[in-house]
Amino acid sequence: EPEVTQTPSHQVTQMGQEVILRCVPISNHLYFYWYRQILGQKVEFLVSFYNNEISEKSEIFDDQFSVERPDGSNFTLKIRSTKLEDSAMYFCASSEAVTGNNYGYTFGSGTRLTVV
Amino acid sequence: DAKTTQPNSMESNEEEPVHLPCNHSTISGTDYIHWYRQLPSQGPEYVIHGLTSNVNNRMASLAIAEDRKSSTLILHRATLRDAAVYYCILSRTNFGNEKLTFGTGTRLTIIP
Repeated sequence: EPEVTQTPSHQVTQMGQEVILRCVPISNHLYFYWYRQILGQKVEFLVSFYNNEISEKSEIFDDQFSVERPDGSNFTLKIRSTKLEDSAMYFCASSEAVTGNNYGYTFGSGTRLTVV
Repeated sequence: DAKTTQPNSMESNEEEPVHLPCNHSTISGTDYIHWYRQLPSQGPEYVIHGLTSNVNNRMASLAIAEDRKSSTLILHRATLRDAAVYYCILSRTNFGNEKLTFGTGTRLTIIP
């Protein structure tokens, strides 16, 4: 079964440093997403991306965040200057753009980001 | 966004059926009902979705009330691997380009 792959599985970074979280979505999917989950809290939407541009973003996704699809296979989330409160599990997801698909959104296993 | 209400937690015995309820009394006519689950330390996983008719797939069945104000996810024979948080989510589409809004879900415990 096709998978969404995320790397690294765990990243520790110092406050103020830049981090890039990487994702390889399923190859025939056209919509891409980032979600995050702070420990013990709900899964929260960050951003959706289609046709090389952001479709929708949440209030969490401020100027410190950016997304990119640099090469047609990878999808990245960059946090420019990390804060302690950015510590969370970050999930990448992708979906098809076919009406009536029965597969929903496919999520990766996540990257645990720890800001110290 | 139309909201859903689920019990915080449920328990079930292994190898027995599980019925997970969801209330969505403010659902609109075009909202799809999606179910996802999140196993410990993993990302959410798609389970099933539907609009009006009951749906079956290899993982589960979805029973939708005639007035669509509630639905029930049915796991026909629970295994220990089904222990997870189950989320009932409404979405305007059944395919891409719409965010999912997760609630707190139902934490399902399976008793061996």
